[in-house]
Amino acid sequence: QKEVEQNSGPLSVPEGAIASLNCTYSDRGSQSFFWYRQYSGKSPELIMFIYSNGDKEDGRFTAQLNKASQYVSLLIRDSQPSDSATYLCAVNINRDNFNKFYFGSGTKLNVKP
Amino acid sequence: SAVISQKPSRDICQRGTSLTIQCQVDSQVTMMFWYRQQPGQSLTLIATANQGSEATYESGFVIDKFPISRPNLTFSTLTVSNMSPEDSSIYLCSVEGGIRRYTEAFFGQGTRLTVV
Repeated sequence: QKEVEQNSGPLSVPEGAIASLNCTYSDRGSQSFFWYRQYSGKSPELIMFIYSNGDKEDGRFTAQLNKASQYVSLLIRDSQPSDSATYLCAVNINRDNFNKFYFGSGTKLNVKP
Repeated sequence: SAVISQKPSRDICQRGTSLTIQCQVDSQVTMMFWYRQQPGQSLTLIATANQGSEATYESGFVIDKFPISRPNLTFSTLTVSNMSPEDSSIYLCSVEGGIRRYTEAFFGQGTRLTVV
């Protein structure tokens, strides 16, 4: 079983709309949760992290965590064409005495002008 | 945040040969991670490298194929041995960092490997 599962998309939304990205994780020992954005040909860059149940807002981005359901989501308000990228959900798990990061397969987001 | 430099940024290699990828970090870090990202796929953790000990490999990856060195707290290498076209991928070095209780992963720019 994969540590993190995501819908690969693509998810298409019009400019100005809300984009909703979701992922689930399998290990209840997961300690913290991350959303990375990856533009084509580039390395992933962190946009949000969350470790407590509930919502966390940062500008146009809101991360939501539900540990009981093992579910993490990312909302992007007022989506812009520049938000078009692949969004990777990641979890941090302590294994083999190391804090390791495991990534989902990514959801490709297309924001249409 | 950590600044991570990887070399080479890209290479085209003949099958059966080996390539060593270097990762240099601008600060001392305990853990370094190596990932593979195959075309259109997500990041798959290959191994975790801790200075002074052997790397810990994830299921499906073995030391003979992907030997790793970690000679000090700022440097690591990953070798892709006896390459085949299936090894064509982007290889990324990553470190854990941050000042908060919960840290994040930082990435180098990656090495794009094509095996012909």
